[in-house]
Amino acid sequence: QKEVEQNSGPLSVPEGAIASLNCTYSDRGSQSFFWYRQYSGKSPELIMFIYSNGDKEDGRFTAQLNKASQYVSLLIRDSQPSDSATYLCAVNVYSGGGADGLTFGKGTHLIIQP
Amino acid sequence: DVKVTQSSRYLVKRTGEKVFLECVQDMDHENMFWYRQDPGLGLRLIYFSYDVKMKEKGDIPEGYSVSREKKERFSLILESASTNQTSMYLCAIGGGYEQYFGPGTRLTVT
Repeated sequence: QKEVEQNSGPLSVPEGAIASLNCTYSDRGSQSFFWYRQYSGKSPELIMFIYSNGDKEDGRFTAQLNKASQYVSLLIRDSQPSDSATYLCAVNVYSGGGADGLTFGKGTHLIIQP
Repeated sequence: DVKVTQSSRYLVKRTGEKVFLECVQDMDHENMFWYRQDPGLGLRLIYFSYDVKMKEKGDIPEGYSVSREKKERFSLILESASTNQTSMYLCAIGGGYEQYFGPGTRLTVT
């Protein structure tokens, strides 16, 4: 059974600070890891994915992956009020016949305080 | 721009009705997925398809079936809708390194 765990929050961060979101997963066979942002009433939108150990940066976002410890994190630098949303961590295990769907965590609700 | 459309944003159906939710993509992706999202339970995979007429069960397929007769269209079918199928239904397309979601259909079964 694949499981993805996130702290539900809310996580409150002052504007301009770094927001740190964490996620752990149970399946050591997981190969790809995703961060999605979801605003209330909207569908999830992909922020970034990572599949190699280490850091991956994209603008103000940095994803960090540690497969040995089975955790993945997302850092948001210079947090803005518009970053207030629920952040979903997801993992993928590729199977031979085609890609599996994603297994999602329940999400962390992030609040950026002006 | 990735375009995934779903047939309805809001739908209200009665218990026992047969319900069709449709998803259409314009990206020529092989893989299409159906999820449902519920408060406290998160997003859960119902079914997915990696080719025309091919389907695979996800984590919660009970009470659902799917149809993929054309590459661009993936339908989710509730054979006999029940109140516990009231949910937000999200279609997605993509491969191993990306999945893009449609706008969702909020289904209420009364």
